[in-house]
Amino acid sequence: KQEVTQIPAALSVPEGENLVLNCSFTDSAIYNLQWFRQDPGKGLTSLLLIQSSQREQTSGRLNASLDKSSGRSTLYIAASQPGDSATYLCAVGAFTGTASKLTFGTGTRLQVTL
Amino acid sequence: DGGITQSPKYLFRKEGQNVTLSCEQNLNHDAMYWYRQDPGQGLRLIYYSQIVNDFQKGDIAEGYSVSREKKESFPLTVTSAQKNPTAFYLCATIPGTNTGELFFGEGSRLTVL
Repeated sequence: KQEVTQIPAALSVPEGENLVLNCSFTDSAIYNLQWFRQDPGKGLTSLLLIQSSQREQTSGRLNASLDKSSGRSTLYIAASQPGDSATYLCAVGAFTGTASKLTFGTGTRLQVTL
Repeated sequence: DGGITQSPKYLFRKEGQNVTLSCEQNLNHDAMYWYRQDPGQGLRLIYYSQIVNDFQKGDIAEGYSVSREKKESFPLTVTSAQKNPTAFYLCATIPGTNTGELFFGEGSRLTVL
């Protein structure tokens, strides 16, 4: 059974800092990994999608890497801003038989302070 | 605007009542999903549908029912058999194959009084 862990559960940093969020998964037979952002009381917004054949994806100040063999992904946020404050979740996609299944982590709650 | 619309945003229900949460999408995506989110837990899959008139149980389908009569619509009914229905419910879609990028609606918060 796939398990996804995100550490730390919460993080507070001052504005301008670069930071790294971690996502680890137990079964490396995945077809993709996706990072999401969730604001309080809102749905999830897709940030980056990494296919299993890719090593990283970049969008603006965000960079996500994937190391399948070690079961890890990191989300790097450069020059953090107060508007980056949110919960960040990762999800890994894998096949169980012929069905595809996404398994979510519980998220890292990020606060960027002035 | 293209997107996924969930309604209502907030819903209160008395014990013993069935309620239906709406999910409508105009993205022309094939696959639609319902997830439940509880504090401190990852999202859990309730039901999903890859094509019209077909749907499959997820990990926590007991006490829920769905239908997929149109490509655009995937309503979720929370029945009185669901033991702990208070939660945040999220609808999501994937375009084309079910290994693509997942898009979410804004969610519906159900509270049982």
